Amino acid sequence: GENVEQHPSTLSVQEGDSAVIKCTYSDSASNYFPWYKQELGKRPQLIIDIRSNVGEKKDQRIAVTLNKTAKHFSLHITETQPEDSAVYFCAAKLNEKLTFGTGTRLTIIP
Amino acid sequence: NAGVTQTPKFQVLKTGQSMTLQCAQDMNHEYMSWYRQDPGMGLRLIHYSVGAGITDQGEVPNGYNVSRSTTEDFPLRLLSAAPSQTSVYFCASRESGTIFGPAYYGYTFGSGTRLTVV
Repeated sequence: GENVEQHPSTLSVQEGDSAVIKCTYSDSASNYFPWYKQELGKRPQLIIDIRSNVGEKKDQRIAVTLNKTAKHFSLHITETQPEDSAVYFCAAKLNEKLTFGTGTRLTIIP
Repeated sequence: NAGVTQTPKFQVLKTGQSMTLQCAQDMNHEYMSWYRQDPGMGLRLIHYSVGAGITDQGEVPNGYNVSRSTTEDFPLRLLSAAPSQTSVYFCASRESGTIFGPAYYGYTFGSGTRLTVV
């Protein structure tokens, strides 16, 4: 099955700076890579996703890049704000199974 | 649309008891899944369904049963609860569609059920 590794497990950045979270996956047949944001006590919410036929996707301050050759993908958040503080999960979809990384706790320092 | 609705929100069980976690969606989504979330381990897939009458195992299926008699409902059954099943359980659904088609979206999650087995 698929295996997804996510780094770092915790990340603190100054407000206004950028944050980068990286994930690697093991099965080259995975074709869909979503990112979820989870605030304390809440459900995971999809913030951005990328399909395997695309190398990069951007939505306002959030962007995701995919390198299929190296089997890794990254989440980039620019101009971070206090409300960006949360746990972020990457995931990779193989057939109908979505495998998640172990999460990154992002803290924005005012 | 209510989205994905999970009940109950909290539950305490004694070891050996059985119970059913309910999940319902009103978006006519074909695909539904159950995940458990434990500290430091992300979300792990328990069972999933690609349509009414079709279910399959995920990464951690032992101790759990599912059925999908309707498109809307996907209950998760614990036949004999164990302390190792203490976790937060999330149900999720998505619409059908090809991965590269315009109608493909990510999974929508319910608000979760926090289960404690003592």
